[in-house]
Amino acid sequence: NAGVTQTPKFRVLKTGQSMTLLCAQDMNHEYMYWYRQDPGMGLRLIHYSVGEGTTAKGEVPDGYNVSRLKKQNFLLGLESAAPSQTSVYFCASRRDNLAVNEQFFGPGTRLTVL
Amino acid sequence: RKEVEQDPGPFNVPEGATVAFNCTYSNSASQSFFWYRQDCRKEPKLLMSVYSSGNEDGRFTAQLNRASQYISLLIRDSKLSDSATYLCVVRETNAGKSTFGDGTTLTVKP
Repeated sequence: NAGVTQTPKFRVLKTGQSMTLLCAQDMNHEYMYWYRQDPGMGLRLIHYSVGEGTTAKGEVPDGYNVSRLKKQNFLLGLESAAPSQTSVYFCASRRDNLAVNEQFFGPGTRLTVL
Repeated sequence: RKEVEQDPGPFNVPEGATVAFNCTYSNSASQSFFWYRQDCRKEPKLLMSVYSSGNEDGRFTAQLNRASQYISLLIRDSKLSDSATYLCVVRETNAGKSTFGDGTTLTVKP
């Protein structure tokens, strides 16, 4: 099992460019999440999904869109990148809605917007 | 006020020391609690869940105080390899999302 994988690992964008971050999990998990982490701070939830075809807003959704067309994939899109979106992006998945279940994280995508 | 607040760091301790981290949460509906460890520039990984009766895993002990709405993590006999950032996480019953603290950084020195 690869667990949770993220593509790409690094990316540099210019202001106004668009891109899509891909998260994939092979554990048949229902729940998937996108977080961003800025220096010296904890993780802030951008969007999440409780199942295929569903998405919901998290704490900091502005400037991002997501899609969950397949259970194993969760895509995060930036339509018009801004320097404030420079961050490390982590994807995570969780088996189901039982509160005790842990989240498994991907290795992160380091995004710089110039 | 943040939903989850952790001790401000950093903590710098010598090898062999005992160190304790506290975390307070504001949502009384929170039912599940976790400590995650994050190494520099890596993804967070589960260190341990926190149970109502408290639980221990080797040198690590986690405690929960629901009345005061805080959880703690105690590390005994610190090792150099314990140097990391420790994240407190709380979750409501069967909720889709979790809330993370900003983390406490621990550096263990020889």
